[in-house]
Amino acid sequence: SAVISQKPSRDICQRGTSLTIQCQVDSQVTMMFWYRQQPGQSLTLIATANQGSEATYESGFVIDKFPISRPNLTFSTLTVSNMSPEDSSIYLCSVDGTASTDTQYFGPGTRLTVL
Amino acid sequence: AQKITQTQPGMFVQEKEAVTLDCTYDTSDQSYGLFWYKQPSSGEMIFLIYQGSYDEQNATEGRYSLNFQKARKSANLVISASQLGDSAMYFCAMREPTSGTYKYIFGTGTRLKVLA
Repeated sequence: SAVISQKPSRDICQRGTSLTIQCQVDSQVTMMFWYRQQPGQSLTLIATANQGSEATYESGFVIDKFPISRPNLTFSTLTVSNMSPEDSSIYLCSVDGTASTDTQYFGPGTRLTVL
Repeated sequence: AQKITQTQPGMFVQEKEAVTLDCTYDTSDQSYGLFWYKQPSSGEMIFLIYQGSYDEQNATEGRYSLNFQKARKSANLVISASQLGDSAMYFCAMREPTSGTYKYIFGTGTRLKVLA
């Protein structure tokens, strides 16, 4: 299994500003995923981040709004840009396990509130 | 179309009783994985159980079992001997291949409340 930490754990931000969320894994992983969970909703995949290549974004998510960096095999960042109250969500990063039968492991999440 | 469908937004169960949470999926791939996660009010995502599409036996993990009916494309979670600590949101998810890699798709979740 993998141990994942996220920073910050929560934040309250003003409209129009940007926030960068960090995700750190205790082992090297190929794929990292970023999810958004709006209040009372399910998880929606924002993008998949592979080291050494551009992130792959899901429909409805664009790089200008959610730029992602993946500088090495243990770290990634997600920036939520030009925030609005609709961006208030929990943002989770996850990584895949090492075996095909393994699950993905989630970080504790970042609770973002935009005023 | 929904790829993962959880038709029960909320469920109640008496403590020590068993409960089944429904999940149906839609895919044309032959190789896929099905997962159940628990999300308590703290927000963390806790992995419960996995079923591979080629697995012939239903997966079991302690009090959790997965009732896998491939022809019906259903993967229901059964929790036996419910405990108060089982009260949480439960998400069904599918891992499917896409564009040379894979991704996970989550259902809308079922909120389970265990009654004392």
